[in-house]
Amino acid sequence: GQQLNQSPQSMFIQEGEDVSMNCTSSSIFNTWLWYKQDPGEGPVLLIALYKAGELTSNGRLTAQFGITRKDSFLNISASIPSDVGIYFCAGQDSWGKLQFGAGTQVVVTP
Amino acid sequence: KAGVTQTPRYLIKTRGQQVTLSCSPISGHRSVSWYQQTPGQGLQFLFEYFSETQRNKGNFPGRFSGRQFSNSRSEMNVSTLELGDSALYLCASSPTELETQYFGPGTRLLVL
Repeated sequence: GQQLNQSPQSMFIQEGEDVSMNCTSSSIFNTWLWYKQDPGEGPVLLIALYKAGELTSNGRLTAQFGITRKDSFLNISASIPSDVGIYFCAGQDSWGKLQFGAGTQVVVTP
Repeated sequence: KAGVTQTPRYLIKTRGQQVTLSCSPISGHRSVSWYQQTPGQGLQFLFEYFSETQRNKGNFPGRFSGRQFSNSRSEMNVSTLELGDSALYLCASSPTELETQYFGPGTRLLVL
């Protein structure tokens, strides 16, 4: 099962609002990754974080690698309808293996 | 560059049968990882191959096996299928086992 705690489980937001989600772990990771998955498709990489404390942006997305290396958050600013989907955090250990959170379902209403 | 491709996209099998899934990584990527995704257990790591060698293995029974060819393409095999094996099987590739992984669209397996 999951070893990462991802929250919230789901979010219902209005178009234009900002979204925040986070992931915590009892383990230290070398890399934190955020993926988005649409129904019937594989996860698509959004942001990769490689250093503790690192803050990285990709358009309207901003993610941070926690200083303890045990947590990360993802922010989406000014949400639009195509932001709908399931967002997964993943921690990559020193062997390269990924552990995933349970996902955050984002629903955007006009 | 073409992304990770997986075939077939959909598969229906019956209990007791075996199945083989295929994954072609992004050109130049030598590491291929396999994951199982189910509503109940989420995304779980199956195994990872690099240069034709299995480097990591998750907590799955021996019915789940895989291999990697010299061109980095990988196959995953599940023998004696059970109902609980119904899932989306995802393949991800990366240049090496320690680098960022990119996923394919998955193979949806339904076991009846």
